[in-house]
Amino acid sequence: AQSVTQLDSHVSVSEGTPVLLRCNYSSSYSPSLFWYVQHPNKGLQLLLKYTSAATLVKGINGFEAEFKKSETSFHLTKPSAHMSDAAEYFCVVSDSSGTYKYIFGTGTRLKVLA
Amino acid sequence: KAGVTQTPRYLIKTRGQQVTLSCSPISGHRSVSWYQQTPGQGLQFLFEYFSETQRNKGNFPGRFSGRQFSNSRSEMNVSTLELGDSALYLCASSLDQRGYLTYGYTFGSGTRLTVV
Repeated sequence: AQSVTQLDSHVSVSEGTPVLLRCNYSSSYSPSLFWYVQHPNKGLQLLLKYTSAATLVKGINGFEAEFKKSETSFHLTKPSAHMSDAAEYFCVVSDSSGTYKYIFGTGTRLKVLA
Repeated sequence: KAGVTQTPRYLIKTRGQQVTLSCSPISGHRSVSWYQQTPGQGLQFLFEYFSETQRNKGNFPGRFSGRQFSNSRSEMNVSTLELGDSALYLCASSLDQRGYLTYGYTFGSGTRLTVV
């Protein structure tokens, strides 16, 4: 069965400093992995996706993530945080076994300090 | 092009009533999924439709049902509402039957349902 664990429920960074949001996954099949962002009272926006191509994935707004099979991790990073990055971030796993559904992590709320 | 459109955005209902939520996917998208988001349970999968067929269903009681029309628009219905059904209901669409893996889902802004 698939699962995903987001290791931090809250992360605070200062504007201009690096962001690291951690995610570990478990999947019996070749996983597809995603990061989504949710701003207050909004839906979910896709940041980036890993679908068995390059292990270093670049997304929108300067975010990137590295798929590490040996560590079953898919951490999200950004070199320099911006105030507009403050939001909730969700790591998502879906496998190729034909379930057609996403398994969401519990979310990490990112706070960016001026 | 237009994104995933969910109507209504906000809804207040009384316990015991029923409610229907609507979702219009991105033009050309044939896969539609529904998720429930609550502070306590997070984001949970309700069901997924492709070409009017339900392909998977989450662990929700039978009070939760859905359907998809030939134009890919989808509705979900909750009957005999309970206080615990208060949540943000999110609809998501994808291009084809494997799009959820290769392209990712595009989510709507959701319908906020409050049961009083």
